[in-house]
This record gives sequence, structure tokens and C-alpha cells, in this order.
Amino acid sequence: QQPVQSPQAVILREGEDAVINCSSSKALYSVHWYRQKHGEAPVFLMILLKGGEQKGHDKISASFNEKKQQSSLYLTASQLSYSGTYFCGTGTPGTASKLTFGTGTRLQVTL
Amino acid sequence: NAGVTQTPKFQVLKTGQSMTLQCAQDMNHEYMSWYRQDPGMGLRLIHYSVGAGITDQGEVPNGYNVSRSTTEDFPLRLLSAAPSQTSVYFCASSQGARANVLTFGAGSRLTVL
Repeated sequence: QQPVQSPQAVILREGEDAVINCSSSKALYSVHWYRQKHGEAPVFLMILLKGGEQKGHDKISASFNEKKQQSSLYLTASQLSYSGTYFCGTGTPGTASKLTFGTGTRLQVTL
Repeated sequence: NAGVTQTPKFQVLKTGQSMTLQCAQDMNHEYMSWYRQDPGMGLRLIHYSVGAGITDQGEVPNGYNVSRSTTEDFPLRLLSAAPSQTSVYFCASSQGARANVLTFGAGSRLTVL
């Protein structure tokens, strides 16, 4: 079953912050975050393993709450280049590269 | 390194025709997979392989066949194309099956009339 992402879409002004959530009905082993620009392939942002770790990548960070089976992606001081569709992908032990992706969150950053 | 290479980029088929989408990677990755992407549905796993000679089904395998005779290549075959298979197809690979980063190909846009 696909993880559920929220919101489905968000529009920001440059410099504003956003949070994208990813919830799973199954126990999580790992969560991957990818960004896809229009007409391009998804590109890896970060991976989180169970343990509640928070990882960062420039002004993008993420958390992983194993108990709640949730992950959140935090985008601070957004830039125009952050525009795109964000996908979370969940993995299971043994074949964690076999990811089940959410339906995506479309983010648009405007001037 | 070329990474993950998919061909063709675009293809139009008639219902009932067969074709093969090619995927090749030059990173010596063990794990390879095929996803399809449809509007509003995200990426859905069709088939995957954890090594040469080993393949398994994903969420939406019906109508598709795969094989993995070498580490580098993972072709996806449509035996009898249907309009429901109109989609963008992505091949992805990773170094191992355990929590590793997926590298995606550029995608193949398929239209079935």
C-alpha cells in the first residue's frame, strides 16, 4: 500500500518554509525522499533509517518517527530551485531498495 | 559514467503490438527495477531484480515481463500493449538491495493507441 503524502500541493513565496508529510500504514524500515522536476527523472535528496534520525541537506532536512510511522521533509527559506514534485519512498528490511512511493507533493516556489 | 540509460525516449504503439524498453547501467549495481508513473499516482513498481538471473514482481506486474541475464541490462517487455499501459516508465538501479540510493534513468514515454 502506498504511503500517504500531505499536502498534495503547496505554493510558496521565495524565502518561506514548508513541511511535507509522509505516513505509512506499515512499519517503516527506511524512508527515502526524492525530488522530480517537470519532464525529468526523480533525484535523490536523502535517506532516513529507523531510529528517529534527522538528516539535513543544505536547507532541506527530514525527520523519521518510527512509532508514528511517519516522516516529514522540512524546506526552510525556500528557493525557486526547490520547485518540483516531492516523493517519499518507503523500504522494508531485506530489500530496502524496493521502494513503495507516495503519490507526491507538488511544490511551487514563486517570487 | 553514463549512469542509467533508457531507450527509447518516446514510443507510440498500436493496441496488441509488442515492444521492449531497454535499460542499461554501467555502475555495477546489483539492484535494478522498473517503475511506471501516471498522473496523480506517483511511481509504482512493476518488476525488480536483486542480481543477474533473479527477478520478482512489484505492485503492478500484469502485462509486463522482465529478465536479467547480465548485471548491466534489465529490459522490460510488453507482450501485447494495451491503452492502459500508456505511461512514463523509469528504470532505476542501486548498489545493493539494502537501503541504498536509487539512480533513475531519464524515462521512456509510451503511448498505446
